Amino acid sequence: SQKIEQNSEALNIQEGKTATLTCNYTNYSPAYLQWYRQDPGRGPVFLLLIRENEKEKRKERLKVTFDTTLKQSLFHITASQPADSATYLCAFSRANQAGTALIFGKGTTLSVSS
Amino acid sequence: DGGITQSPKYLFRKEGQNVTLSCEQNLNHDAMYWYRQDPGQGLRLIYYSQIVNDFQKGDIAEGYSVSREKKESFPLTVTSAQKNPTAFYLCASSTRDSLNTEAFFGQGTRLTVV
Repeated sequence: SQKIEQNSEALNIQEGKTATLTCNYTNYSPAYLQWYRQDPGRGPVFLLLIRENEKEKRKERLKVTFDTTLKQSLFHITASQPADSATYLCAFSRANQAGTALIFGKGTTLSVSS
Repeated sequence: DGGITQSPKYLFRKEGQNVTLSCEQNLNHDAMYWYRQDPGQGLRLIYYSQIVNDFQKGDIAEGYSVSREKKESFPLTVTSAQKNPTAFYLCASSTRDSLNTEAFFGQGTRLTVV
C-alpha cells in the first residue's frame, strides 16, 4: 500500500537556524506533494504545494524540494522563530477509481527555542 | 466569511451510543473528507465524498458512517461498532479531485468515550 513517512517525530532547533524536515513516500508516484502546519488542538493549514516537475518551491522563509528519484521531499524553514513551533505534515493526493484524497504522514513536531 | 465549521468542539459519549459529528462548508467545494487523528498517528482517512449523494470508504471506515445529501454538509456518525472512538476528528473540503489543490480544514471535534 502507499505510504508516506516523516522520519523525525520531533526536531528541536535554536532560533535563527534553518529547520529541515524530511518526507519519504513508497509504493506510489505522486504528481503533487503538499505541506501543512498544525498547531495544538487546531486543524491543519496549507503551506505549500509542489509538482513533480518542480525541483523547488519557495514562499517567504519556506522552501520545499521534491526529488522523484529519491522519493523524498524536504521542507526548510530559514531564520526560524519560536512562532514557527508547530507540527508540520506532508501529504500527497492518492487517486483511484473512487476519486482522490489526501494521504498524510504522521508529522514532525518542530520546537524553536529562543 | 468562507470556511468550514465543525461542531461541537468537544463531545462526550457513553459506550454503546452512536454520535454524529457535524461538518458544514460554504466554500462551494465539491469534495469533503473526514480524518481521525490520534497521538503519534497523523491523520487517517475515514470517508470521503467527491459529489453529492456519493461517498467512498477511506482507510479506516469500519465503525463509521456518513451521508452527503447536500453539497455543504458531510456529517459523520461514530457508531457503537467503533471499538476505540476516542480521538480528534477533522473534516476537510477541497475543489473536486484534490490532486493539485489545497484542502481546507475545520477546527476539529474532540470525541471522548466515558
